[in-house]
Amino acid sequence: SQTIHQWPATLVQPVGSPLSLECTVEGTSNPNLYWYRQAAGRGLQLLFYSVGIGQISSEVPQNLSASRPQDRQFILSSKKLLLSDSGFYLCAWSATDYGYTFGSGTRLTVV
Amino acid sequence: AQSVTQLGSHVSVSEGALVLLRCNYSSSVPPYLFWYVQYPNQGLQLLLKYTSAATLVKGINGFEAEFKKSETSFHLTKPSAHMSDAAEYFCAVSSSGFQKLVFGTGTRLLVSP
Repeated sequence: SQTIHQWPATLVQPVGSPLSLECTVEGTSNPNLYWYRQAAGRGLQLLFYSVGIGQISSEVPQNLSASRPQDRQFILSSKKLLLSDSGFYLCAWSATDYGYTFGSGTRLTVV
Repeated sequence: AQSVTQLGSHVSVSEGALVLLRCNYSSSVPPYLFWYVQYPNQGLQLLLKYTSAATLVKGINGFEAEFKKSETSFHLTKPSAHMSDAAEYFCAVSSSGFQKLVFGTGTRLLVSP
């Protein structure tokens, strides 16, 4: 069966520090991968999506970047965090008509 | 472009009462529609999906939703609310089951005893 792993679960980082969040998928090949951010009291905002290794599409200009070094690995990064980067980050994958499967999320607090 | 509007950021019901969460969509192509549930500090779990088959879709935990093209709606219902239904619910639209989803802003369901 397919599973998705996302870590860490919580993270507190100072302003100006770097960020690396990792997401891996098991049990499927060539999935579409997504990073969403959920700010307090707001809906889900699509940040990046990838349809294959090295293929990244950015939905909104921001302080973040994404990479897909392997088929089932998706990384969200930042060189210097801002206070506004705080939020709940969710990774998801899709490969069939069954919709998305989400990871358990990372709560990022920038202080 | 596709979009989803969820009416009501908060809905309160009593345990045992009918749950109705509203969702209206906009799409230039036949839509795929989804409802997801999110418990605090967790990811999203798929409740049900509409993929151009039956217009009345049954999901997990006793929820169901009806696709009404004439009203561009996909409202979520449950006949009798349970305390464990308290969560945030998101409606989403896509042009297919694996293309990028566009989410609504969510509706928080509060269930009182």
